[in-house]
Amino acid sequence: GESVGLHLPTLSVQEGDNSIINCAYSNSASDYFIWYKQESGKGPQFIIDIRSNMDKRQGQRVTVLLNKTVKHLSLQIAATQPGDSAVYFCADYIAQGAQKLVFGQGTRLTINP
Amino acid sequence: NAGVTQTPKFQVLKTGQSMTLQCAQDMNHEYMSWYRQDPGMGLRLIHYSVGAGITDQGEVPNGYNVSRSTTEDFPLRLLSAAPSQTSVYFCASSYQRGQPQHFGDGTRLSIL
Repeated sequence: GESVGLHLPTLSVQEGDNSIINCAYSNSASDYFIWYKQESGKGPQFIIDIRSNMDKRQGQRVTVLLNKTVKHLSLQIAATQPGDSAVYFCADYIAQGAQKLVFGQGTRLTINP
Repeated sequence: NAGVTQTPKFQVLKTGQSMTLQCAQDMNHEYMSWYRQDPGMGLRLIHYSVGAGITDQGEVPNGYNVSRSTTEDFPLRLLSAAPSQTSVYFCASSYQRGQPQHFGDGTRLSIL
């Protein structure tokens, strides 16, 4: 069935270090993937997306990698800052059939000073 | 632009009461959706709309109704509140289905 999950529920990194948040999906028909950031008391905020015809996409301090062979994607955040502390969600979208966005449970990233 | 605006931000209800959660967007987005967020379960789709006058059920629609009379507004109605509906509710919108959605800041609902 369709599911999107994250390998770790929590992740702590030192300020200035790079962080990697992982996500696994199960449906090989998924063709679009999104990373969201959710700060406490706020709604999810779009960070970056990637389509299934790409392996990598870069934004400002963030990079998403997609490995379709093992159905895995990751979010890399460079030089983490205190403002990066949040819960990060991956979501996948299947353009055919139900056409729904499926969210993972989230990883809480904590930046230590 | 205000983006996606949800009201109220907090609400406490008694079992059996009904209420409407309001959602409005000013981005002229066609696609709007409602999610609930529960601990350990991520975001689950309740109902969605691909345009004014068109709505459909999501993953967990039971106990909720929606309507879409205008592009801007997409209210969510709880017909008879139950403790299992205690959750944080998010409204989201995008130009089309399958595009990154803009989320509101949520309504935190407690059913006693």
